[in-house]
Amino acid sequence: DTEVTQTPKHLVMGMTNKKSLKCEQHMGHRAMYWYKQKAKKPPELMFVYSYEKLSINESVPSRFSPECPNSSLLNLHLHALQPEDSALYLCASINRANTEAFFGQGTRLTVV
Amino acid sequence: QKEVEQNSGPLSVPEGAIASLNCTYSDRGSQSFFWYRQYSGKSPELIMFIYSNGDKEDGRFTAQLNKASQYVSLLIRDSQPSDSATYLCAVHQAGTALIFGKGTTLSVSS
Repeated sequence: DTEVTQTPKHLVMGMTNKKSLKCEQHMGHRAMYWYKQKAKKPPELMFVYSYEKLSINESVPSRFSPECPNSSLLNLHLHALQPEDSALYLCASINRANTEAFFGQGTRLTVV
Repeated sequence: QKEVEQNSGPLSVPEGAIASLNCTYSDRGSQSFFWYRQYSGKSPELIMFIYSNGDKEDGRFTAQLNKASQYVSLLIRDSQPSDSATYLCAVHQAGTALIFGKGTTLSVSS
């Protein structure tokens, strides 16, 4: 199983809404990441969880709040987003040996 | 600032030709190197991983790593129109995350 599962695949939310993105992997990977990707740009790192602890926060606005309930699950809580936050949000995980790193299918987020 | 550089392209090759994609990185502490393929609107798909100097082959794909020159490349043999996509080079250093280049757009014409 080399799968990282993200839900939902698409999300439209208003600027006053609260929503959450979910990411799950069952490969026993030790680190999980959130990336944001705009059209024709590379993925931009947001957060890194290593062994369930937040190890990197790339100065992301507080309207994005990550959570790692256990080693298989990663959430991204969204609140009071702006239209410029519309993007493809990608979750990825990497194994302990740093030899395999897989992405989920992403959540296409539109903020209206 | 750790950097990963790629030529954005587009790189155009005829069907059946060899496509050569290049990537350089600035941090000598980088340990693992990944190549991803990304179709428009989709998520990155892992093609190859390499961590030792030299060549690594998987089907039509060959990754090459030269740590002294801080250079990693991807060769695609017998290119097919379905290979038309953006190819992302990613570098991983212990204690950090995957750092991406801007990607190279490959177009294979039939």
